[in-house]
Amino acid sequence: EDQVTQSPEALRLQEGESSSLNCSYTVSGLRGLFWYRQDPGKGPEFLFTLYSAGEEKEKERLKATLTKKESFLHITAPKPEDSATYLCAVQAYNFNKFYFGSGTKLNVKP
Amino acid sequence: ETGVTQSPTHLIKTRGQQVTLRCSSQSGHNTVSWYQQALGQGPQFIFQYYREEENGRGNFPPRFSGLQFPNYSSELNVNALELDDSALYLCASSLGGSGSGTGELFFGEGSRLTVL
Repeated sequence: EDQVTQSPEALRLQEGESSSLNCSYTVSGLRGLFWYRQDPGKGPEFLFTLYSAGEEKEKERLKATLTKKESFLHITAPKPEDSATYLCAVQAYNFNKFYFGSGTKLNVKP
Repeated sequence: ETGVTQSPTHLIKTRGQQVTLRCSSQSGHNTVSWYQQALGQGPQFIFQYYREEENGRGNFPPRFSGLQFPNYSSELNVNALELDDSALYLCASSLGGSGSGTGELFFGEGSRLTVL
């Protein structure tokens, strides 16, 4: 069965303390892996799409990487405004739905 | 370019009642998907509409139904509400559909449903 597991569930960092979030997935034929940011009470905001192993994407302090079994979201020198829940989702070739993980809740303290 | 808009933003219903949630897709997008997000969980796929037809469905009972209109806006209807239906309902629009590569989903702010 297709599924997505994110770890850790929650992460507390000091401002400037770099870290990584993990997304492990099993899917029968990966069409794409997606990262979203979600603020409390809001809809998810699109960050990145990765399509094949070895691919990397960057945006400001965020960098997403992809292997055949997992993806990492690296956060370099985070700021308090990076505090949010980060969601990972995969889409399989044979179906149009996205499978989401439960997210990692990131809290960056000044 | 207008984003995805949903209404209402919050609503309270009682068990057994029916609810209709509405969504206007992002300009230029022809595919709408609906997701249910319980507190502390990731979004769960309900169904997708492409060219006014249901184009994929998740593990939700038939009392969850939907429509897509010619202007690509959409409705989610839930009958015989249960307490477990309390959640944030998210609408997402995208390009493509029908297996042609839907690309990224762009979400609205959601409709928070509370069932008492």
